[in-house]
Amino acid sequence: DTAVSQTPKYLVTQMGNDKSIKCEQNLGHDTMYWYKQDSKKFLKIMFSYNNKELIINETVPNRFSPKSPDKAHLNLHINSLELGDSAVYFCASSQGWTGGTEAFFGQGTRLTVV
Amino acid sequence: GQQLNQSPQSMFIQEGEDVSMNCTSSSIFNTWLWYKQDPGEGPVLLIALYKAGELTSNGRLTAQFGITRKDSFLNISASIPSDVGIYFCAGLTNDYKLSFGAGTTVTVRA
Repeated sequence: DTAVSQTPKYLVTQMGNDKSIKCEQNLGHDTMYWYKQDSKKFLKIMFSYNNKELIINETVPNRFSPKSPDKAHLNLHINSLELGDSAVYFCASSQGWTGGTEAFFGQGTRLTVV
Repeated sequence: GQQLNQSPQSMFIQEGEDVSMNCTSSSIFNTWLWYKQDPGEGPVLLIALYKAGELTSNGRLTAQFGITRKDSFLNISASIPSDVGIYFCAGLTNDYKLSFGAGTTVTVRA
């Protein structure tokens, strides 16, 4: 029973392409997040959605566009991929929109832009 | 997000040892969280702390929320090989943003 699941787990693509990462949670949580983990393992929040509404939007290039069709899903679409976008992207969810209290993370999507 | 200073950056520990790591910040946090990340996996919540001075245990793990609300530590007692991984502290501020420390990489010497 996977609580927070992301697909794909690995994504290798060329510069300039557009790609999407999907996330689903079956925990009944109200809030979902996208985090980026760089090569030094530093975790930084990108977006937060509560009940399908955008709550947190950190300084992220507008090539990144999250979409939440319902409370259980938060997808991340990235346009015109650049080399610097290579990282591991984590989806997470929590109950309530308190910015991540007891957030449960997915397994991550390792994006490699070549 | 706020800057959290987590130390040590890495540690080698002997199986059976007790070890500590800590996080400090110049900002006050309402909640401190400790996560562990295994290779190829997402962070998993170990302990959540909600009150200044709170001391909470989870098996061999013990964490405390500092009185000043600007620091927290995590202790692992009697370390075992499966304690290997990266441990992250995280703090939640009034503006509902969760900031992470840079992580402590733990490697166990058999």
